[in-house]
Amino acid sequence: AQSVTQPDIHITVSEGASLELRCNYSYGATPYLFWYVQSPGQGLQLLLKYFSGDTLVQGIKGFEAEFKRSQSSFNLRKPSVHWSDAAEYFCAVVPTDSWGKFQFGAGTQVVVTP
Amino acid sequence: EAGVTQFPSHSVIEKGQTVTLRCDPISGHDNLYWYRRVMGKEIKFLLHFVKESKQDESGMPNNRFLAERTGGTYSTLKVQPAELEDSGVYFCASSQEGNIGYGYTFGSGTRLTVV
Repeated sequence: AQSVTQPDIHITVSEGASLELRCNYSYGATPYLFWYVQSPGQGLQLLLKYFSGDTLVQGIKGFEAEFKRSQSSFNLRKPSVHWSDAAEYFCAVVPTDSWGKFQFGAGTQVVVTP
Repeated sequence: EAGVTQFPSHSVIEKGQTVTLRCDPISGHDNLYWYRRVMGKEIKFLLHFVKESKQDESGMPNNRFLAERTGGTYSTLKVQPAELEDSGVYFCASSQEGNIGYGYTFGSGTRLTVV
């Protein structure tokens, strides 16, 4: 079955430390890949996306993600987190033939400690 | 440009009552989508409009949910009668036709609590 998995429900990280959020997908063909963030009281904001080409994608707010076809993964990273990065992060995919219908992972809640 | 607007931002209703959620997409966006996230679960697709037509309503949970998009502009999602399990956050998103390359723009969501 097609699925998007975010193995970590909750991550706590110290301010200034690095952050990596994992995402794995299971689809017949590589879908379009996205990371969204939802801060408290806010909507879903697009961090970055991957369609094809360079497997290392740069996004907003200093985030980047790396697509690894062999591992069906699209992990999100940030070298040094800020307190404002505390939020919930969602990996999402859109199958290339699905008219833009997203399938989301369960989300990873990131807590940033001083 | 104005973003996707949803209201109300919060709604608390009693079981059995009716609630109508509204979504105003970005002007000119033909595609409009509804999603929801019930407590502790993934964000799930509900349906997709192209202009005023329902392109895909495979995610609608049951016939207590009715979505409309009059004139291809704003959309409403009515829940009648509401049940406890309908509680969650309802998101709307819009995109230009076929323009998945630029992703969607999501609204801030409506948090629905059924008591």
